[in-house]
Amino acid sequence: KQEVTQIPAALSVPEGENLVLNCSFTDSAIYNLQWFRQDPGKGLTSLLLIQSSQREQTSGRLNASLDKSSGRSTLYIAASQPGDSATYLCAVPSSNTGKLIFGQGTTLQVKP
Amino acid sequence: NAGVTQTPKFQVLKTGQSMTLQCAQDMNHNSMYWYRQDPGMGLRLIYYSASEGTTDKGEVPNGYNVSRLNKREFSLRLESAAPSQTSVYFCASRGQLNQPQHFGDGTRLSIL
Repeated sequence: KQEVTQIPAALSVPEGENLVLNCSFTDSAIYNLQWFRQDPGKGLTSLLLIQSSQREQTSGRLNASLDKSSGRSTLYIAASQPGDSATYLCAVPSSNTGKLIFGQGTTLQVKP
Repeated sequence: NAGVTQTPKFQVLKTGQSMTLQCAQDMNHNSMYWYRQDPGMGLRLIYYSASEGTTDKGEVPNGYNVSRLNKREFSLRLESAAPSQTSVYFCASRGQLNQPQHFGDGTRLSIL
């Protein structure tokens, strides 16, 4: 059974820092991995989708990497800003239903 | 550029009342999903529909029914609402398995 874990659960950093959020999964047979952002009381915004054949995917100040063999993905945020404060979720699709299996999320606070 | 649209955004019900949550997507996706999000429990799948005319149970289907009315619409019905169904409900859709899953903004449901 696929399980997804995110560490740390919470992170507080000063503005301008580069930071890394971690995601691990137990079954390396994944199609892809998706990173989301969720603001308090809001829905899920898709940030990046990284395919199983890819090592990295970039969007602006965000860079996601994937190492299937070790069951890990990282989301790198460069030059963090207070507007980056949110909960970040990673998820992988189930191979039979396609439902997303989510980690518990990392809640990020970027202080001005 | 609507994506996935959910209605209503907020609802308060009394125990025993019934209601239907509506979801529509305009991306011509085959697969649609209903999740609920609860503090400390993450996102859990209620029901999904792999294609028009088919529906299947997810992890927490008890107390819910669904209808895949056509390719665009996937509704979730609570026949007799219970306080344990107080949650945030998200609808999502996806094309192929290697494509991202897109989420609606959610329905915040409180049952008194």
